[in-house]
Amino acid sequence: EVQLVESGGGLVQPGGSLRLSCSVSGFSFSDFPMHWVRQAPGKGLEYLSAILGDGSFTHYADSVKGRFSISRDNFKNTLYLQMTSLRPEDSGVYYCAKDRVNGWSFDSWGQGIMVTVSS
Amino acid sequence: QSALTQPRSVSGSPGQSVTISCIGTTNDVGVYNFVSWYQQRPGRAPKLIIYDVNKRPSGVPDRFSASKSGNTASLTISGLQAEDEADFYCCSYAGGPYVFGSGTAVTVL
Repeated sequence: EVQLVESGGGLVQPGGSLRLSCSVSGFSFSDFPMHWVRQAPGKGLEYLSAILGDGSFTHYADSVKGRFSISRDNFKNTLYLQMTSLRPEDSGVYYCAKDRVNGWSFDSWGQGIMVTVSS
Repeated sequence: QSALTQPRSVSGSPGQSVTISCIGTTNDVGVYNFVSWYQQRPGRAPKLIIYDVNKRPSGVPDRFSASKSGNTASLTISGLQAEDEADFYCCSYAGGPYVFGSGTAVTVL
């Protein structure tokens, strides 16, 4: 069974940093691109970032480019999102998601982790 | 990277059909056949229900169907059931990042 479990969320002050982790099991992690998606309270889904299976390529939404960094450790079966210069508008639930076989959609999601940016 | 445009809400009685539109641009929906749809129930993670414009993952009822014409994708739920009440999001590959729709709340009357 495919499982994705996020951790590392919490309350952080504006301008602060936080690193999210997504621990996965049930599939060959290194074979799949992975993604981060967030959802502000009461709002819709917002795509953030992706990384290829071997970590060789990443991309970011304009809203987080230069502030967030996606990475992965294929030995630990873990995906990361390093978030810096956090703003109140970065608050929300952060989901990691797995690429579907043959790509272009997200067939498994974590349960989500809450990040609150507030003083 | 503006969100794809979806109606804020749609509603229907049990057994009826509802259709949700997803309007994009020539940079996303109009050029790539990589449109997917997700169902999100309150407090839960999104669930993939359509990929590659009109394909259903295993286990998704055939009451869910989808299509695309030009810059607009559409999701139809036929034979509406109470359990279909949820938020629905379209998503398109956009040549680098993906872009989600603004989301549609489906209400079963």
